[in-house]
Amino acid sequence: GAGVSQSPSNKVTEKGKDVELRCDPISGHTALYWYRQSLGQGLEFLIYFQGNSAPDKSGLPSDRFSAERTGGSVSTLTIQRTQQEDSAVYLCASSLGASHSGNTIYFGEGSWLTVV
Amino acid sequence: AQSVTQLGSHVSVSEGALVLLRCNYSSSVPPYLFWYVQYPNQGLQLLLKYTSAATLVKGINGFEAEFKKSETSFHLTKPSAHMSDAAEYFCAVSGGTGGFKTIFGAGTRLFVKA
Repeated sequence: GAGVSQSPSNKVTEKGKDVELRCDPISGHTALYWYRQSLGQGLEFLIYFQGNSAPDKSGLPSDRFSAERTGGSVSTLTIQRTQQEDSAVYLCASSLGASHSGNTIYFGEGSWLTVV
Repeated sequence: AQSVTQLGSHVSVSEGALVLLRCNYSSSVPPYLFWYVQYPNQGLQLLLKYTSAATLVKGINGFEAEFKKSETSFHLTKPSAHMSDAAEYFCAVSGGTGGFKTIFGAGTRLFVKA
């Protein structure tokens, strides 16, 4: 496909379990982002990868959250010991170049996470 | 830190009326500015963006936005609302003094009444 692909689209997990969310960016896009969208909270920045540079992790809410990007392409967001407040839509996005240069960000459909 | 503020979490207009969604940013250096739209049960898509060319930017579906440096604003307008415009709209900023990441506002949900 031509767009950003995320999986799973929906995930229900028990409190305390670990979850992994996957993102396949648009081919050739060097920048990749993770955002979290909660009801009434807008889009919360989590982490930003740009090429081979060290990722900007400044938005990760706690040390239970981590993300990696392998081979400059696929990314995985991992949430350890999930809590109910982690329930949200996790959005992945990519852009052709660095976002601070005005490049358009293209979003995936999101992974809906529910922690019960 | 750089930030973006959207005034009004909900805006309601009648079909055919003017749409005005407000966005203000904080940056001493003009950043790049974007409006994204999220239709019900769909992902976000770009509506328009300002990249230091013309201050009046035209986007898809008849929307436009004007960059006003003196007011640090980038308000979104459409002369005549259509029922299909009902969606959530997000203003976003990147560059400027905010570093490398793109920051989004809290969003404004637009309701269009028949």
